[in-house]
Amino acid sequence: ILNVEQSPQSLHVQEGDSTNFTCSFPSSNFYALHWYRWETAKSPEALFVMTLNGDEKKKGRISATLNTKEGYSYLYIKGSQPEDSATYLCAFPMDSSYKLIFGSGTRLLVRP
Amino acid sequence: DVKVTQSSRYLVKRTGEKVFLECVQDMDHENMFWYRQDPGLGLRLIYFSYDVKMKEKGDIPEGYSVSREKKERFSLILESASTNQTSMYLCASSLGAGRGLNEQFFGPGTRLTVL
Repeated sequence: ILNVEQSPQSLHVQEGDSTNFTCSFPSSNFYALHWYRWETAKSPEALFVMTLNGDEKKKGRISATLNTKEGYSYLYIKGSQPEDSATYLCAFPMDSSYKLIFGSGTRLLVRP
Repeated sequence: DVKVTQSSRYLVKRTGEKVFLECVQDMDHENMFWYRQDPGLGLRLIYFSYDVKMKEKGDIPEGYSVSREKKERFSLILESASTNQTSMYLCASSLGAGRGLNEQFFGPGTRLTVL
């Protein structure tokens, strides 16, 4: 059974702080790694789909890196804002199928 | 603006009732998924469908069935609702080609309470 682990489970930061959290996944048979943001009362939405070792993707103040050899990805938020408060989920496709295995998420709260 | 819609945001049902959760997507996606989300756990896949009338079990299919008669619509059915099916249910869709490379688009969720 594949396991996707995220840490920390929750994080409280002050507005303006930069923060990062981790997604760990099986390093064998890597295919892709997804990051989603889920704001309260909204639908989860995709941030990044990463496929290449060493890849770095950026969307505004949010960026992600990928290490497929050791099986981890970091998500960074620079200068956190209250609107960044959300649960951040990572997901790993089972083999190359349509099925994604989700981590339990990191819940971020940014205090004004 | 791409959209996945779910029939209800909140639903309260009684134990033993048959419950239908409907999901519609307007993106012409081949794949559709039903997940449930419980506190402390990640999204867990109940069923998915990669084509009309095709379905595959996910990780927790027990107590559920699905129907996909049209490409845009994927229904989740709780044959006889039980209290342990109280949860948030999320529907998602994705393109068929590229398998796990394609991002999934989610609906807003249905919070189901079974009394």
